[in-house]
Amino acid sequence: GQSLEQPSEVTAVEGAIVQINCTYQTSGFYGLSWYQQHDGGAPTFLSYNALDGLEETGRFSSFLSRSDSYGYLLLQELQMKDSASYFCAVRDGTGFQKLVFGTGTRLLVSP
Amino acid sequence: GAVVSQHPSRVICKSGTSVKIECRSLDFQATTMFWYRQFPKQSLMLMATSNEGSKATYEQGVEKDKFLINHASLTLSTLTVTSAHPEDSSFYICSAREGGSTDTQYFGPGTRLTVL
Repeated sequence: GQSLEQPSEVTAVEGAIVQINCTYQTSGFYGLSWYQQHDGGAPTFLSYNALDGLEETGRFSSFLSRSDSYGYLLLQELQMKDSASYFCAVRDGTGFQKLVFGTGTRLLVSP
Repeated sequence: GAVVSQHPSRVICKSGTSVKIECRSLDFQATTMFWYRQFPKQSLMLMATSNEGSKATYEQGVEKDKFLINHASLTLSTLTVTSAHPEDSSFYICSAREGGSTDTQYFGPGTRLTVL
């Protein structure tokens, strides 16, 4: 099975940088994805890491270390609109390649 | 990007009734669709995987007779919550993957179900 652990909540102020960690245990590994979800909305895709290292997409970056079964999402120049829940996710090893989500981190950005 | 729609976005029903939720991929063919359930302040829990033209595969602990899934075409999957009870109240989200792609999964906007 798969399990992905994240901190439940992170708080920060506008303009700051915040890192959301994800540790995972999987029977097979097919990459780590990150999703953002605002209250009452659908998850939206942010980034995907298949290999070790840092992927940068604008203000958001994602890092993966497969040897440590660890990844993080880095949000820079925080804005109020970044207040949301963030989920890491992995695909399982079955033929369906199901996406399994982490426990989720609620990010609160204050002025 | 690809668009997935869900209907209805919000539904309130009486206990004991059945509710059908539709999930459509609007501009691509989805050979595989997924149904998730999300309780307040919790993560998305996968309920089942449906493939066009075949029976759905349910996750452990999900009652297949209660949550009926039909993937009738490459653009439509439906979830029917039968004999709904208050504990079935939740946010139901569908997701679709384009045929042949294993990297991109698109999510619908979700359906908020409230059972009185």
